[in-house]
Amino acid sequence: DSGVTQTPKHLITATGQRVTLRCSPRSGDLSVYWYQQSLDQGLQFLIQYYNGEERAKGNILERFSAQQFPDLHSELNLSSLELGDSALYFCASSPPGVTDTQYFGPGTRLTVL
Amino acid sequence: GDSVTQMEGPVTLSEEAFLTINCTYTATGYPSLFWYVQYPGEGLQLLLKATKADDKGSNKGFEATYRKETTSFHLEKGSVQVSDSAVYFCALSIFNKFYFGSGTKLNVKP
Repeated sequence: DSGVTQTPKHLITATGQRVTLRCSPRSGDLSVYWYQQSLDQGLQFLIQYYNGEERAKGNILERFSAQQFPDLHSELNLSSLELGDSALYFCASSPPGVTDTQYFGPGTRLTVL
Repeated sequence: GDSVTQMEGPVTLSEEAFLTINCTYTATGYPSLFWYVQYPGEGLQLLLKATKADDKGSNKGFEATYRKETTSFHLEKGSVQVSDSAVYFCALSIFNKFYFGSGTKLNVKP
């Protein structure tokens, strides 16, 4: 158990809908990262937040957005969902001052029908 | 751009065999390099890392050496166990961004 929690575990929705994935980092960690893992694209870095501020952006679509709240939990919002958005979404966190070590949560499996 | 390429799987070995999973990278600067492992139904776990050239990362019998001259970070283990069956990801970190390889599935048979 990494100490990173993600909810929900599974999510099934329809095309065109909007969903919110939630992540709670390990106690004391200030950084949160979001990743998408799909069969054809592998593991793709989406975005990083540090203490509430966006720190780095990867291959995140405009239909996706994220934020980190004052209590340091983070949410990833996916809108106008398409079939191709079906994937595992992972959250990871890292300790203050350590930018290159991450602890991953168990993931949220999103299925878009 | 920055990227990681690792050997395709699956790799199937017998218990106690020697393991090598190849990983090469392309980076615009001086990245940190990692190996992560993913067991079925779980998130990724950091296996080992190296932050500069010639560093060797090691953990649980696995080793990898950061080779700048060949831009490689190959994962090795002298004697694999059935419990090592998992998917292994090579990754790099640079300028707060992370890039992962496509993963290599390892199957170890008793």
